[in-house]
Amino acid sequence: AQSVTQLGSHVSVSEGALVLLRCNYSSSVPPYLFWYVQYPNQGLQLLLKYTSAATLVKGINGFEAEFKKSETSFHLTKPSAHMSDAAEYFCAVSEGGGADGLTFGKGTHLIIQP
Amino acid sequence: EPEVTQTPSHQVTQMGQEVILRCVPISNHLYFYWYRQILGQKVEFLVSFYNNEISEKSEIFDDQFSVERPDGSNFTLKIRSTKLEDSAMYFCASSEAGRNTEAFFGQGTRLTVV
Repeated sequence: AQSVTQLGSHVSVSEGALVLLRCNYSSSVPPYLFWYVQYPNQGLQLLLKYTSAATLVKGINGFEAEFKKSETSFHLTKPSAHMSDAAEYFCAVSEGGGADGLTFGKGTHLIIQP
Repeated sequence: EPEVTQTPSHQVTQMGQEVILRCVPISNHLYFYWYRQILGQKVEFLVSFYNNEISEKSEIFDDQFSVERPDGSNFTLKIRSTKLEDSAMYFCASSEAGRNTEAFFGQGTRLTVV
């Protein structure tokens, strides 16, 4: 069975500082991994995805994530935080075939301090 | 830009009543999903639908729930007899292909059971 653990339900960084949101996964087969962002009162928007190509994945809004099989991790980073990055971030994994659904982590609320 | 639309945005219903949540997926997508997010908790997979039948369902998706694609555009989730614990945000999603492609999410329907 697949699972996702996001360390830290809340992360606070200063504007301009490095953003690091942690995600560890458990999967019995090579996984597909995703990061989604949810702004207040909105749906989920895909930031980036790993689908067994390059281990360093670049996404929208300056975010990137690195797949590390040895650490079963897929941490999300951004070199310089912006106030508009304040949102809820979800890591998700998919390991089945066909139309299998995503298994989400509990989410990390990113707070940007001015 | 194509998007997944959900109606209504908020629905209040009495316990024991039936509710139907509606979704219009992106037109060329083949896979459809329902997820729910209980307040303060993670997003949970309910069901996926492909080729006019359920492809996968979670243990949450019991006999109280059903999905249907009544015409070429709508995708509905029916809860037959709502319980207080069904109160949640329900997200519809669609994707062009299966697990390795992006799932596009709607903005959600907030269901409140009183």
